[in-house]
Amino acid sequence: ELKVEQNPLFLSMQEGKNYTIYCNYSTTSDRLYWYRQDPGKSLESLFVLLSNGAVKQEGRLMASLDTKARLSTLHITAAVHDLSATYFCAVDISMDSNYQLIWGAGTKLIIKP
Amino acid sequence: GAVVSQHPSWVICKSGTSVKIECRSLDFQATTMFWYRQFPKQSLMLMATSNEGSKATYEQGVEKDKFLINHASLTLSTLTVTSAHPEDSSFYICSARAFEVGTYNEQFFGPGTRLTVL
Repeated sequence: ELKVEQNPLFLSMQEGKNYTIYCNYSTTSDRLYWYRQDPGKSLESLFVLLSNGAVKQEGRLMASLDTKARLSTLHITAAVHDLSATYFCAVDISMDSNYQLIWGAGTKLIIKP
Repeated sequence: GAVVSQHPSWVICKSGTSVKIECRSLDFQATTMFWYRQFPKQSLMLMATSNEGSKATYEQGVEKDKFLINHASLTLSTLTVTSAHPEDSSFYICSARAFEVGTYNEQFFGPGTRLTVL
């Protein structure tokens, strides 16, 4: 069964702290995407990871991909309130012309001042 | 670049009426557009994949006669919820796949349409 598991599903943390969100997937893929969703809003693309060992950073967020472990991480450094949102990972299992993304359940992140 | 718009952003309608939602790629050509549905506090559920000039491919369990999808041009796809009922109330999000921006299968999302059926 194709599965994408995000962990944790809910996270409340204080400003200034560091934390990591994990995205495990059950099938072979070397492409993974991270998105952010604010309440009542649509999805905003954060990172596109296209190969094993890919690491991307934007501000206080850093994403990495380990295709051998079938794991991606989204690391938050010195969290600030503005990062409060729900974060989704999506694994690309497209083959040839058959395009398919498998979505994680999302991690709701609340950062308290 | 890679902006996707949706219209309307919010609609309230009576049970039994039909509602059309438009999804446009504003600055790129989207050969493939996707329609998702999202219930509160849940992840995205893919409803259908829409390719320009051909019939949409619906996911299992999605009624094609209920959710009519038309992708008439490379920049416009529409979703029509026919004979809407309260259980159709949801947040509908479209996205477009943009080969032109060089990020392969990345999807760019519209702002979403919140549908409430009374």
